[in-house]
Amino acid sequence: DGGITQSPKYLFRKEGQNVTLSCEQNLNHDAMYWYRQDPGQGLRLIYYSQIVNDFQKGDIAEGYSVSREKKESFPLTVTSAQKNPTAFYLCASSGPSSNQPQHFGDGTRLSIL
Amino acid sequence: AQSVTQLGSHVSVSEGALVLLRCNYSSSVPPYLFWYVQYPNQGLQLLLKYTTGATLVKGINGFEAEFKKSETSFHLTKPSAHMSDAAEYFCAVSDDRGQGGKLIFGQGTELSVKP
Repeated sequence: DGGITQSPKYLFRKEGQNVTLSCEQNLNHDAMYWYRQDPGQGLRLIYYSQIVNDFQKGDIAEGYSVSREKKESFPLTVTSAQKNPTAFYLCASSGPSSNQPQHFGDGTRLSIL
Repeated sequence: AQSVTQLGSHVSVSEGALVLLRCNYSSSVPPYLFWYVQYPNQGLQLLLKYTTGATLVKGINGFEAEFKKSETSFHLTKPSAHMSDAAEYFCAVSDDRGQGGKLIFGQGTELSVKP
């Protein structure tokens, strides 16, 4: 079945450490997205990519970095510059048109040790 | 600026009662509208979408929504709530700057269902 796979499900980070969250899709979608979800704050867009080797900052990009070297993959790195990284992170993908819905992975919960 | 407003961060209904979750949007172009559902510790699942054509849209799990252009609304309804409907619901509108599948999400409404 086609879908989006996020790994790991749970991740722990030590102070000063960078961590990378994986997102892979086999839906042949051009666009991919990373969101951060905090209680009571809905979804906030971190980065998005509409095509391989190109990506744009979302609303809360500071302290995060991404790459898009392959169509299927869009990893997110939470750097040590992100001072409050504890959150639920969601990856999504979609086709190129505005009338196509986004499809979501099951998320990664990141916590600070 | 484009926005989505969901009225009520928390809605509580009794099992068997009508579910009504409100969503209003702003968009400078004819919008594409979506409702998603999220169960605890999971991703978002598409419930239904409005793109063009019939303004009453039917989705999964017995939910439906009606696009009302004059009211800039896209409220979600279900005639009879079930315990399994307890979840968080998000309304979203397509970005009006032509940026492909980019969406603007509302803040979410948590639905509780009482037995």
